[in-house]
Amino acid sequence: EAQVTQNPRYLITVTGKKLTVTCSQNMNHEYMSWYRQDPGLGLRQIYYSMNVEVTDKGDVPEGYKVSRKEKRNFPLILESPSPNQTSLYFCASSLDPRAGGTGGTQYFGPGTRLLVL
Amino acid sequence: GIQVEQSPPDLILQEGANSTLRCNFSDSVNNLQWFHQNPWGQLINLFYIPSGTKQNGRLSATTVATERYSLLYISSSQTTDSGVYFCAVPHRGQGAQKLVFGQGTRLTINP
Repeated sequence: EAQVTQNPRYLITVTGKKLTVTCSQNMNHEYMSWYRQDPGLGLRQIYYSMNVEVTDKGDVPEGYKVSRKEKRNFPLILESPSPNQTSLYFCASSLDPRAGGTGGTQYFGPGTRLLVL
Repeated sequence: GIQVEQSPPDLILQEGANSTLRCNFSDSVNNLQWFHQNPWGQLINLFYIPSGTKQNGRLSATTVATERYSLLYISSSQTTDSGVYFCAVPHRGQGAQKLVFGQGTRLTINP
């Protein structure tokens, strides 16, 4: 089954304790991206990657790191989490987001709820 | 950048009713997606519809690209249709590296 998976789905942590949220897709997609969703602010992009070893900042990259060593995986790293990073996080992938055909369709993971105390 | 506006922001209906959700966008697009975010927070792909009309069961969507809007129709609503519906379009300019989402329509279907 074609899908985007994220782990963990729920996480409670404390300020300053490094954590990683994993994202994996099995559709051989070139493009992957991370979003966070907050009440009143909607979905905002954190980082994206157009291909292996190619990553770039989105709208709200501060406090986050990413890596793209393999095409299928795109982990999100919080080196020193703070309470303002409490949010619902989504990973997404597509074949080519610039494409006008179905290759541009983005598929989202199930989300990771993070609470930083 | 491109602006995406959805209306109405909230909609409360009885089970069995029909509804129409609207998405306006400020620039031409080559892609438009509708999502349903269920009460557990999951974003479910409903349609990829840059133009024309598509149907999937009780749901259908129409995008009129020349007039920069899209409509999502839900017929014979069920309580499981409750949640927030988002439309999203690719960001233009430096390449469509992200989706720009509308603020959503919160749909509540009462039994």
